[in-house]
Amino acid sequence: DAKTTQPTSMDCAEGRAANLPCNHSTISGNEYVYWYRQIHSQGPQYIIHGLKNNETNEMASLIITEDRKSSTLILPHATLRDTAVYYCIVLRAGGTSYGKLTFGQGTILTVHP
Amino acid sequence: NAGVMQNPRHLVRRRGQEARLRCSPMKGHSHVYWYRQLPEEGLKFMVYLQKENIIDESGMPKERFSAEFPKEGPSILRIQQVVRGDSAAYFCASSPILQAPGFSSYNEQFFGPGTRLTVL
Repeated sequence: DAKTTQPTSMDCAEGRAANLPCNHSTISGNEYVYWYRQIHSQGPQYIIHGLKNNETNEMASLIITEDRKSSTLILPHATLRDTAVYYCIVLRAGGTSYGKLTFGQGTILTVHP
Repeated sequence: NAGVMQNPRHLVRRRGQEARLRCSPMKGHSHVYWYRQLPEEGLKFMVYLQKENIIDESGMPKERFSAEFPKEGPSILRIQQVVRGDSAAYFCASSPILQAPGFSSYNEQFFGPGTRLTVL
């Protein structure tokens, strides 16, 4: 599975959009981009995933560049409860690797009042 | 629909004792994963199981650790002769039957609240 690079930390004002970048320049054609987050001491929570099209759900939007080498997770109206570590994970579809999430260091997002 | 259940939530053991961590997946989920998070470190994959089968145990320490997911009942992560370095949060996740490639919910894993193991 492709390696990802994320900033160590980011800040965001409450009510503003939080844009979390992720680089995955070695991604291959059959690899998806997944985002999870871990709020302090809790189990990780799935947010969203995509292959090449932009995706949106009730939690967030995922923008994937045309060359698929990077992506951005957007929380449109961040709240204090969005303070968490956000993980960008690239995962191959099929085979046995799909069972294993490889968490990097992630981005610590702090939402300020 | 209840989420992934883990118990106990907190477990204290003395060095040399055994620790048994239990995980009940979400209803209808037949795949279970165990991850470990050492203090101030990231989550590390340990093992991936289906009912009565270990599919991938590449992240499990070679000694003292074992996992099972029987036909009936919860998945169990067992640590024998615990040492202080085993102190960590252990998270279990489950996912439904994996669907055909291209199906959007292919690998969403649902995590439990974790078991915090403290070895004295």
